[in-house]
Amino acid sequence: DVKVTQSSRYLVKRTGEKVFLECVQDMDHENMFWYRQDPGLGLRLIYFSYDVKMKEKGDIPEGYSVSREKKERFSLILESASTNQTSMYLCASRSSVRNSYNEQFFGPGTRLTVL
Amino acid sequence: QQQVKQSPQSLIVQKGGISIINCAYENTAFDYFPWYQQFPGKGPALLIAIRPDVSEKKEGRFTISFNKSAKQFSLHIMDSQPGDSATYFCAASGAGGTSYGKLTFGQGTILTVHP
Repeated sequence: DVKVTQSSRYLVKRTGEKVFLECVQDMDHENMFWYRQDPGLGLRLIYFSYDVKMKEKGDIPEGYSVSREKKERFSLILESASTNQTSMYLCASRSSVRNSYNEQFFGPGTRLTVL
Repeated sequence: QQQVKQSPQSLIVQKGGISIINCAYENTAFDYFPWYQQFPGKGPALLIAIRPDVSEKKEGRFTISFNKSAKQFSLHIMDSQPGDSATYFCAASGAGGTSYGKLTFGQGTILTVHP
C-alpha cells in the first residue's frame, strides 16, 4: 500500500512565523504535489515537483516555497505566515512510470491555523 | 479562474436513493476525469475515473457519465448507503508529457446519506 505521511495533523502558528510542512511518501514516486483545501473552493495546487530538486508553481504559489532534496520528501514552506494561509494542506504523490493516468495518493492533511 | 465547476455544494439523500453530482469543465485539452472521495480526517482517495473515449464507466454502485460535446461529466451513486457519506471531488487533467498528472479540482460536494 502506498503511504503518504504528513508531519503534523494540526499546527498553530503566529503571523510572521516561518512554517515548514513536511511530506514523506514510501513508494518511490517521482511526482509530488502540495494542495490547500478550503470550503467551497475545493483543492487548489500550490506547487508540485516532478522529480528530485525539480519544482514548478501551481495555481496559487504566492507566499509559499517548496524544497525537494530527496525523492521521498517534499516540504512546503510558508516564508512569513499570514492569517489568510489558515487552511488544510494536503500532500500527494504519484508515479510517472508507464501510465500518464496514474492516480495521486494523498496524505491525511495538516490543518494549519495562523493567529 | 475555476476551470472545473461542480454542483451541488451539498446533497442529502435517503438510504437506497440515487446521488448525482455534476461537473463542467472549460479546457478542451483535459483528457482524464477522476472522482475522489474524502472521509472526515482523511485525505482524498481515487474512487473512479474516465477518459473521453467512452461515455460511461461503471464500477459497482458508482457510474461516471461523460458528455464530451457539452464538456460535462457526472457521478451517479446507485443505492446510496450511509457509508457513502463523504465529500466528493471531481477533477480533470491533461495527460500530455509536461502535465505530470496535475489535477484541477471542482469545489467539492458534501454528500449525506440518511439511514
